[in-house]
Amino acid sequence: DSGVTQTPKHLITATGQRVTLRCSPRSGDLSVYWYQQSLDQGLQFLIQYYNGEERAKGNILERFSAQQFPDLHSELNLSSLELGDSALYFCASSGNPRLADNEQFFGPGTRLTVL
Amino acid sequence: GIQVEQSPPDLILQEGANSTLRCNFSDSVNNLQWFHQNPWGQLINLFYIPSGTKQNGRLSATTVATERYSLLYISSSQTTDSGVYFCAVGSRRGSTLGRLYFGRGTQLTVWP
Repeated sequence: DSGVTQTPKHLITATGQRVTLRCSPRSGDLSVYWYQQSLDQGLQFLIQYYNGEERAKGNILERFSAQQFPDLHSELNLSSLELGDSALYFCASSGNPRLADNEQFFGPGTRLTVL
Repeated sequence: GIQVEQSPPDLILQEGANSTLRCNFSDSVNNLQWFHQNPWGQLINLFYIPSGTKQNGRLSATTVATERYSLLYISSSQTTDSGVYFCAVGSRRGSTLGRLYFGRGTQLTVWP
């Protein structure tokens, strides 16, 4: 158990819908990262938050947004869903990316299926 | 971004065999992690190893940062070692500090 929790584990929805994925980081970690794993693109970085502020963006679509709350949990919102958004979405957490030891720990993932 | 190449893409072994997985990366890094993704999709941390050598039971890893590669050794493989092994690196550059770049993985299958 990495200490990172994600809910829900599975999500099945229809095209055009909106969903919210939730993540709680390990106790004491201030950084949260979101990654998407799909068959064609592999594992890709989406977005990073540190202590409530957005730090970096990767290949995140405009239809996707995220935030980190004062209690440090994070939510990833996916809207106007398309078939191609079906993937495994991971949340990871770490301490401070500016420190020498910035090992990231991953949650169990949310498997999203868009029908 | 940083390019990460893993080899071989697929590896089939009999139980008890040893194997070496390789990870090459295109730029200097401040983070290198090896993960095992099990059949249920979970990403399990194996090593945090931006440089040097570490060992954990039957697994060991070596990173030669100056030559931009890392190796993961699995000895006396077991069927439970099956799954995909990922190498991921973190950039030193300010604009991308913190994010991990993943390779495409090595799919390991161990037969009894």
